[in-house]
Amino acid sequence: GQNIDQPTEMTATEGAIVQINCTYQTSGFNGLFWYQQHAGEAPTFLSYNVLDGLEEKGRFSSFLSRSKGYSYLLLKELQMKDSASYLCAVRDDKIIFGKGTRLHILP
Amino acid sequence: DAGVTQSPTHLIKTRGQQVTLRCSPKSGHDTVSWYQQALGQGPQFIFQYYEEEERQRGNFPDRFSGHQFPNYSSELNVNALLLGDSALYLCASSTDRVDLYPAQETQYFGPGTRLLVL
Repeated sequence: GQNIDQPTEMTATEGAIVQINCTYQTSGFNGLFWYQQHAGEAPTFLSYNVLDGLEEKGRFSSFLSRSKGYSYLLLKELQMKDSASYLCAVRDDKIIFGKGTRLHILP
Repeated sequence: DAGVTQSPTHLIKTRGQQVTLRCSPKSGHDTVSWYQQALGQGPQFIFQYYEEEERQRGNFPDRFSGHQFPNYSSELNVNALLLGDSALYLCASSTDRVDLYPAQETQYFGPGTRLLVL
């Protein structure tokens, strides 16, 4: 079956670093996406990984290991505006989303 | 550059009624996907339209149907509404053009339509 797992909630402090993990089991794999979703808003694209390794984009980085079915999103220098849900999504023949990780940032 | 637009933003219906939601894709995009997102959950894939045909479908009953027009805009229709259909309905547009960054078929979401079934 298709399954994407990520922690339900995480808490971190402003200015710190946080890593959000995602594991997946899918019948096929054609890339992994990370999206950010603020409460009451639509998801916005953060990153895309199709090959193993780290993709860095400003304060955000995403890592993929296809052999382990594992990805993480790394957020550095946390800001209060980073409080949101972070969705991991895998593209098989369609895009399958995890339930999201709600990240709380404390001042 | 206009992003993905959806209408209406909010909708209240009663059980058994029918609803039509609309979506206009981002400029340059030819593929439209529809998702249902219940509170506290991730988006669940309903179906995807490309070249005016349903290309893929998720695990949703036939009460959920759609259409894509020649200008790439799309509609989602839900018949015989149930209380459990209350959710945020998201439209996402994309394109398979591999020369476009950031990624093949990266999806850009509209603001969603919040449907409440009473």
